[in-house]
Amino acid sequence: GAGVSQSPRYKVAKRGQDVALRCDPISGHVSLFWYQQALGQGPEFLTYFQNEAQLDKSGLPSDRFFAERPEGSVSTLKIQRTQQEDSAVYLCASSRTNQPQHFGDGTRLSIL
Amino acid sequence: ILNVEQSPQSLHVQEGDSTNFTCSFPSSNFYALHWYRWETAKSPEALFVMTLNGDEKKKGRISATLNTKEGYSYLYIKGSQPEDSATYLCAYNTNAGKSTFGDGTTLTVKP
Repeated sequence: GAGVSQSPRYKVAKRGQDVALRCDPISGHVSLFWYQQALGQGPEFLTYFQNEAQLDKSGLPSDRFFAERPEGSVSTLKIQRTQQEDSAVYLCASSRTNQPQHFGDGTRLSIL
Repeated sequence: ILNVEQSPQSLHVQEGDSTNFTCSFPSSNFYALHWYRWETAKSPEALFVMTLNGDEKKKGRISATLNTKEGYSYLYIKGSQPEDSATYLCAYNTNAGKSTFGDGTTLTVKP
């Protein structure tokens, strides 16, 4: 497809489990962003890649959160030892440098 | 202003009313200000990219202005329609490429 694709759309995990969320950006978009969105709030920045380089990870809430984009295309956000407060919608967006971002539909993560 | 702030948080208007809301952002390291429209159950879609002080952009009944010196942007909707109901997000971009979003203004237009 032509848009940003995220998978899975929904993920339910037990507290303490590890999860991996995938983002397929638009082909040719060098910038890739991950956001966490809580109910009623705007997207909160997690991390940002320019090609395969992770330029900013200041928004990752703890060292349980890890993101990678090894070949400068697909990105994976991994959360280890999940906690209930990790429950949120995780949005991925891609863009050409400093151009408007194109968002995926998000992954809704629920931690039981 | 250290963060991106949007006001009001929510707005209810009648069909046909004109409305406007505000995005405030840091005036340092400014590169661009983006406005997005976010409908329920969909992902945000870009409305405007604004880069220069004094910029004015228009798309149909929606327009936006930018003041980078004082760090604010206004979004205006003329003659609101029910289909304008959405959350309107602004995002401040630095020249390092990072985007910081506000929490949005949720607009509800009643027929």
